[in-house]
Amino acid sequence: EDQVTQSPEALRLQEGESSSLNCSYTVSGLRGLFWYRQDPGKGPEFLFTLYSAGEEKEKERLKATLTKKESFLHITAPKPEDSATYLCAVQIPMKTSYDKVIFGPGTSLSVIP
Amino acid sequence: GAVVSQHPSWVICKSGTSVKIECRSLDFQATTMFWYRQFPKQSLMLMATSNEGSKATYEQGVEKDKFLINHASLTLSTLTVTSAHPEDSSFYICSAGGQASYGYTFGSGTRLTVV
Repeated sequence: EDQVTQSPEALRLQEGESSSLNCSYTVSGLRGLFWYRQDPGKGPEFLFTLYSAGEEKEKERLKATLTKKESFLHITAPKPEDSATYLCAVQIPMKTSYDKVIFGPGTSLSVIP
Repeated sequence: GAVVSQHPSWVICKSGTSVKIECRSLDFQATTMFWYRQFPKQSLMLMATSNEGSKATYEQGVEKDKFLINHASLTLSTLTVTSAHPEDSSFYICSAGGQASYGYTFGSGTRLTVV
């Protein structure tokens, strides 16, 4: 069964304290892995897409990396405005004409000033 | 970038009534749209995949007669919650894909409260 897990479930950081979020997946096939940020009461906001092991992408204080089994979202010197839930999702090729996208449970990040 | 518009953003309805939620891709054509449901402090659960011009594909455990999905054009998919009950109260989000550099673009979500 295709499955995506994320850890930790919640993370509290002091402003400036760097850390990493983990996304582990067990899927029948992987076409892409996405990271999203979600603020309360809003839809997910796209951050990154990763396609192959070894790939890295950066945006401001965030860097996403991918291996064959997991992905990490590194947050460098976070600020309070980085507080949000970070969701990982995987795109799984199907026998039909479309791919399926399933999400992990998310990591709730709180950055304390 | 790709934009998906979802309406309404919040709706309160009485038990037994039906509610329609619209999802539109504004600047691209989406042959496939996805409908998700999200309970408080939980992740997104895929409900169904909507394909333009054909029947939707529902995930296991999702009642297709209760959650009616229509994808009549390349830019519009609708989700109708029929005979709504309080347990249907949730946050419903649509997404449309196809543009890899943008991942799958999400609507802003609809908060449904059934009283």
